[in-house]
Amino acid sequence: DGGITQSPKYLFRKEGQNVTLSCEQNLNHDAMYWYRQDPGQGLRLIYYSQIVNDFQKGDIAEGYSVSREKKESFPLTVTSAQKNPTAFYLCASTRGTLINQPQHFGDGTRLSIL
Amino acid sequence: SQQGEEDPQALSIQEGENATMNCSYKTSINNLQWYRQNSGRGLVHLILIRSNEREKHSGRLRVTLDTSKKSSSLLITASRAADTASYFCATDASSFQKLVFGTGTRLLVSP
Repeated sequence: DGGITQSPKYLFRKEGQNVTLSCEQNLNHDAMYWYRQDPGQGLRLIYYSQIVNDFQKGDIAEGYSVSREKKESFPLTVTSAQKNPTAFYLCASTRGTLINQPQHFGDGTRLSIL
Repeated sequence: SQQGEEDPQALSIQEGENATMNCSYKTSINNLQWYRQNSGRGLVHLILIRSNEREKHSGRLRVTLDTSKKSSSLLITASRAADTASYFCATDASSFQKLVFGTGTRLLVSP
């Protein structure tokens, strides 16, 4: 079955540590997105990518980095510069590059501070 | 910044009743989407309505859009316990490249 796979489901970060969240899709979608969700809140866009080797900052990119070396993969690194990383992180993708298409989501990674 | 604001923040109803959630937004849009999120899971797309449409149906779901009032509503008829989830609206906010999500309505349907 086609879909988006996020791993790990739970992740713990120590002080000063960078951690990387994985997002893989086998839907052959062009665009991919990373969102952050805090408890009881909506989604806020971190980064998005419409084609391989290109990505743009979203609304809250500070302290995060991404890469898009392959169409199916869009990993997110939470760097030590992100002082409040505890949140639920969601990856999504769309067919094509326009936002008149539904977004397909993975089941998220919950990141906590040790 | 949040473009969409859902109302109410939380809604509790009995099985069989209808549930109505509202979404207001600030700037002109090309389309508006509704999503459902079960606890601890990703979002699932429900309906997309374009700015030139006024109403759209999908099974027990009915979505309306009033661009003059910058608002949309999601009606779930004959609700079931399995409809318990958070519901979010999302708009393109005149950008073709990204969606802006609202804060969500938490729906609890009791058996």
